[in-house]
Amino acid sequence: GESVGLHLPTLSVQEGDNSIINCAYSNSASDYFIWYKQESGKGPQFIIDIRSNMDKRQGQRVTVLLNKTVKHLSLQIAATQPGDSAVYFCAETMANQAGTALIFGKGTTLSVSS
Amino acid sequence: EAEVAQSPRYKITEKSQAVAFWCDPISGHATLYWYRQILGQGPELLVQFQDESVVDDSQLPKDRFSAERLKGVDSTLKIQPAELGDSAMYLCASSLLGQGRAEAFFGQGTRLTVV
Repeated sequence: GESVGLHLPTLSVQEGDNSIINCAYSNSASDYFIWYKQESGKGPQFIIDIRSNMDKRQGQRVTVLLNKTVKHLSLQIAATQPGDSAVYFCAETMANQAGTALIFGKGTTLSVSS
Repeated sequence: EAEVAQSPRYKITEKSQAVAFWCDPISGHATLYWYRQILGQGPELLVQFQDESVVDDSQLPKDRFSAERLKGVDSTLKIQPAELGDSAMYLCASSLLGQGRAEAFFGQGTRLTVV
């Protein structure tokens, strides 16, 4: 079936390093791709999104890259900080018979050591 | 800053009992979602509302789960009877998805433990 997935379940980096979290998707018809951060015991928090007609979008310390040719999405975090430690999910919006659904992948746990 | 409100934060119930969760979305958000998240996994959509109407409940176990959003604002998710496998985090989210914006904003969730 169609789904959003992530390449690695865990990623460990040193404080100050740049982090790259990857995601592969299978639905070419998705309109938006979104990255969420989820800290332990909390709901997912929106980080950044990108429309399907873009290939790059930058935010504060974060950049999302979209490669539609290979159906790949990545989140780059510059100068990673201990507060960035969390689980990161990519999600996609896709049209279904009822409207538009928001579908999540499995998540990558980012651990930042100081 | 506007937030999605959920209650209770934690709920422990015995199997076969009924349990209900409440969600108040961000004002003006027409789209409301209920997700279930098992520890270590991504959120799984249970039901999606557009205003007061259900637009997708294909993954909702309808023999025991029900959801309503009577006035198109706050929403209730009910489980009756609860089973051990229902232990999970139940997340509510709202968005302007039907109004041209994609991102959904999540509440803090309700952690359900069925014993």
